[in-house]
Amino acid sequence: EVQLVQSGSEVKKPGESLKISCKTSGYIFAKYWIGWVRQEPGKGLEWMGIIYPDDSDTEYSPSLKGLVTLSADKATSTAFLHFTNLQASDTAIYYCARSPLAGDALDSWGQGTFVTVSS
Amino acid sequence: DVQMTQSPSSLSASVGDRVSITCRASQTVTRHVNWYQQKPGKAPSLLIYADVRLQSGVPSRFSGSGSGTDFTLTINSLQPEDSATYYCQQGYITPGTFGQGTRVEVK
Repeated sequence: EVQLVQSGSEVKKPGESLKISCKTSGYIFAKYWIGWVRQEPGKGLEWMGIIYPDDSDTEYSPSLKGLVTLSADKATSTAFLHFTNLQASDTAIYYCARSPLAGDALDSWGQGTFVTVSS
Repeated sequence: DVQMTQSPSSLSASVGDRVSITCRASQTVTRHVNWYQQKPGKAPSLLIYADVRLQSGVPSRFSGSGSGTDFTLTINSLQPEDSATYYCQQGYITPGTFGQGTRVEVK
């Protein structure tokens, strides 16, 4: 069974950094893309970026490039979303999801990580 | 970015009704439109991929159609458990933009 299990909720202050994890199982981690999707409270879905763990090829949404970094650890089958200099506007639920191709459907999702940024 | 314009933003229908949600892309995205269902407090789940293909385990009352720039998600014989928000997404070009969502209420 394919599973993506994300790290727990976080409360951070503006200016702090954060790394969210997405641990996968049930498939060959290196051979599927992992995408990240943001959902602000009460809002719709926003595609953030995607990474191919086998060679760490990444693509970012132009609106987020430089603000977040995607990484992947093949040894632990875990993907990461790294924020530096968090802002209140980063308050959202962040989902990881698996995709066979960079532009393909997201066919299995993590449960989401709720990040609150507040002073 | 490719813009995905979804309509309506919300609808209310009765059990057994047939409902349709449309999505218009700002450029051709054939074979790269996906549809997701999201229930309150839950992660989205994939319903339809590549415009028309039903994801494994999804009830057959859900179907996708369309090509070019215009796509439709249809729910035949609406059920109470179909109350959710539905999103289209294009995977033709990154970023894989989503539509704004359609909230479906089952009366």
